[in-house]
Amino acid sequence: DQQVKQNSPSLSVQEGRISILNCDYTNSMFDYFLWYKKYPAEGPTFLISISSIKDKNEDGRFTVFLNKSAKHLSLHIVPSQPGDSAVYFCAASLSNFGNEKLTFGTGTRLTIIP
Amino acid sequence: DVKVTQSSRYLVKRTGEKVFLECVQDMDHENMFWYRQDPGLGLRLIYFSYDVKMKEKGDIPEGYSVSREKKERFSLILESASTNQTSMYLCASSLDRGRQETQYFGPGTRLLVL
Repeated sequence: DQQVKQNSPSLSVQEGRISILNCDYTNSMFDYFLWYKKYPAEGPTFLISISSIKDKNEDGRFTVFLNKSAKHLSLHIVPSQPGDSAVYFCAASLSNFGNEKLTFGTGTRLTIIP
Repeated sequence: DVKVTQSSRYLVKRTGEKVFLECVQDMDHENMFWYRQDPGLGLRLIYFSYDVKMKEKGDIPEGYSVSREKKERFSLILESASTNQTSMYLCASSLDRGRQETQYFGPGTRLLVL
């Protein structure tokens, strides 16, 4: 039962254009969402997060949008750079005490074409 | 600077062997996690611990056990390795219970069971 889904296993985007990565979730109790980026042979690194009380969070070139009614979040990268080529995982969690664990999606491999 | 280290980057073991994967964090984090990453399945939580000598099952604990004797160290044990445990194993830690804390990941151990 995949509670967090990333339906696009891969995505190719021209350098300088916008990259949009999508994530859907089924558990309406999730109220905190994160994006991680992973290079080959390295562990995932935290990119950006959003609480369910917000619908947008921005950090430099990265913006995460949350649509609670659709149970959907997206990560926008603009402008895309070659160093953004990586696998991106979205993750979700519950904020109540004792639920520190994250549920991850299956990942989307982003390739930025120079 | 946040640091999570894993004892081995690559490991080759035979079916039936007992395997120990070690993880150390130097950030005085309370929570530690073990995941495995498989193509098309993303990161799946095996076990986590929120205190010394405490452990909680994740989503796929079967065939694994863990040990946390010291705050900084979290060990994953494969009691009798099987070929379906060939995977990338990732350790992570986060600061505090009851708060939405970013998880910091180690570089991963790629385990091959023959």
